[in-house]
Amino acid sequence: DADVTQTPRNRITKTGKRIMLECSQTKGHDRMYWYRQDPGLGLRLIYYSFDVKDINKGEISDGYSVSRQAQAKFSLSLESAIPNQTALYFCATSDFGSYTFGSGTRLTVV
Amino acid sequence: GESVGLHLPTLSVQEGDNSIINCAYSNSASDYFIWYKQESGKGPQFIIDIRSNMDKRQGQRVTVLLNKTVKHLSLQIAATQPGDSAVYFCAENHYNTDKLIFGTGTRLQVFP
Repeated sequence: DADVTQTPRNRITKTGKRIMLECSQTKGHDRMYWYRQDPGLGLRLIYYSFDVKDINKGEISDGYSVSRQAQAKFSLSLESAIPNQTALYFCATSDFGSYTFGSGTRLTVV
Repeated sequence: GESVGLHLPTLSVQEGDNSIINCAYSNSASDYFIWYKQESGKGPQFIIDIRSNMDKRQGQRVTVLLNKTVKHLSLQIAATQPGDSAVYFCAENHYNTDKLIFGTGTRLQVFP
């Protein structure tokens, strides 16, 4: 089993729909992150959480929300999806700098 | 079809040659730097890291060089192989914040 598991792997959704991307990890790390990747760009930080009670906005948090349900689970929601949120989304965990990434969710908003 | 990386800088090298991928970072307070490899359809994979109190670190076939004066990082891959073909990202971090900031990436293409 992968250390960081993201579901779904691919999703097509319509403009205005609410969608949740899920992430679970078996590393036992407290720190979890959601990143977005657009073509030709590196990953940009959406939200991060240093423990279950700690949630912080990243550089591009507008239009997104997160929930840290447990140490191992960190979900990302798009309350009302729009086409420019079409991207690759990555979840990651870290242990003071040692990051592990999931395989990504490819989201298309039509 | 797959469109990730269409506008990325591309480095093309012949199999067996050495590759050098460069990166400029932005924050002089960053104290930890990492190189990641991303293959198509996969998440970034750790290659090698270096802390700001070092200027060189070597791994298996890879070497990272850090020049803090000009805020420049490079990844050297020796004897490049077809399996090295991927997009390579540098990332900077600060121990206190533990938030990775990624560069835009370089696509490495290895031809026979």
